[in-house]
Amino acid sequence: KNEVEQSPQNLTAQEGEFITINCSYSVGISALHWLQQHPGGGIVSLFMLSSGKKKHGRLIATINIQEKHSSLHITASHPRDSAVYICAVRPINTGTASKLTFGTGTRLQVML
Amino acid sequence: KAGVTQTPRYLIKTRGQQVTLSCSPISGHRSVSWYQQTPGQGLQFLFEYFSETQRNKGNFPGRFSGRQFSNSRSEMNVSTLELGDSALYLCASSLGYRVDEQFFGPGTRLTVL
Repeated sequence: KNEVEQSPQNLTAQEGEFITINCSYSVGISALHWLQQHPGGGIVSLFMLSSGKKKHGRLIATINIQEKHSSLHITASHPRDSAVYICAVRPINTGTASKLTFGTGTRLQVML
Repeated sequence: KAGVTQTPRYLIKTRGQQVTLSCSPISGHRSVSWYQQTPGQGLQFLFEYFSETQRNKGNFPGRFSGRQFSNSRSEMNVSTLELGDSALYLCASSLGYRVDEQFFGPGTRLTVL
């Protein structure tokens, strides 16, 4: 079982729809990252959070530390939101190396 | 402020050769991390450097090595290339060590023939 699980793996939405992508992890963490990757490879960091909720424009990220779960929401989705969204966690340093661990990504396509 | 730059952007090598990839972090950032991305394995952590010291290493063979210079620029080297090393290699920089947001470069796409 992967330390970081994302769902769904693929998502197709119509323009304007509200979208939710989920991330569950199995270890204690110091931070969780949401990343966006467009075709061609470039990765953009959307959020880094360790508790609560963050909002940036139409994007909202939440995290529940007790349940080891985070969600990324996109309101009023647009075709330019089409990308792969990747969740990554930084495990709490337990004396061994703590390395960023990635989910397999959610491929989102927003249709006109 | 300029973003993270990586050179070269594309590279074609043959099996057995070696390759050096370069990463220049955002000015003022002292931490550089390297990642490998393949269709089969997704994103995997390679190394993390802070203040010229390797702080962390992923589960890759010794053929993968790296270093960081006093100006925070970093290089990674892969020796005796294998077909399976074909991947997108991404570097990311952050202000500090572990706790800060990471800013990613555009990546170097390596093809091994």
